[in-house]
Amino acid sequence: DIQMTQSPSTLSASVGDRVTITCRASQTIYKWLAWYQQKPGQSPRLLIRDTSVLESGVPSRFGGSGSGTEFTLTINGLQPDDFATYFCQKYNDYWMFGQGTKVE
Amino acid sequence: QVQVQESGPGLVKPSETLSLTCIVSGGSMSSSSHYWGWVRQPPGKGLQWIGCISHRGNTYYNPSLKSRVNISVDTSKSRFSLKVPSVTAADTAIYFCARTRGGRDAFDLWGQGTLVTVSS
Repeated sequence: DIQMTQSPSTLSASVGDRVTITCRASQTIYKWLAWYQQKPGQSPRLLIRDTSVLESGVPSRFGGSGSGTEFTLTINGLQPDDFATYFCQKYNDYWMFGQGTKVE
Repeated sequence: QVQVQESGPGLVKPSETLSLTCIVSGGSMSSSSHYWGWVRQPPGKGLQWIGCISHRGNTYYNPSLKSRVNISVDTSKSRFSLKVPSVTAADTAIYFCARTRGGRDAFDLWGQGTLVTVSS
């Protein structure tokens, strides 16, 4: 089974910072990776699919990159609304989430 | 606008069956290419994919849960369901239903989630 490893588990940052979160797959998942944002008490929100495609309405400060087994979510210029937990998810054959990264 | 909403008991006794239903409103399930899925989140922890089903009834389960869960669909009633038999405290979680964009894809639509507590 493919394992998804997300790092770091917690990230301390300030408004305006550039933030990078990494997600690694134990085998290639090609480009089939998504990123979600979840705030306390809310459902996850899809931010990015197919590694780098921003969902409608997602601010352009969010970006995704990578391929194969290593992927990155970048937030350029962290905003107060961005403090949340972020999850990666693969969906090449079946679905699996990374462990999550809390941005605080 | 399509919406999904979980329903079911919030408290289940150990060894009993957890049963949840997801109601799909604002659109038809019958002709869609979407997959419909369940995800759970133990309090304060991460997301765990449980399984997905197509409108034709093709199912895909998390290998770690496959022997324990069952997902079914009733397109005539615009709903799909989750059953987890013989629950333990480890099954206590917020259960979300969700929809994929199309086939094996990311989840673009989520319900608000429902907390299910396993306790006597």
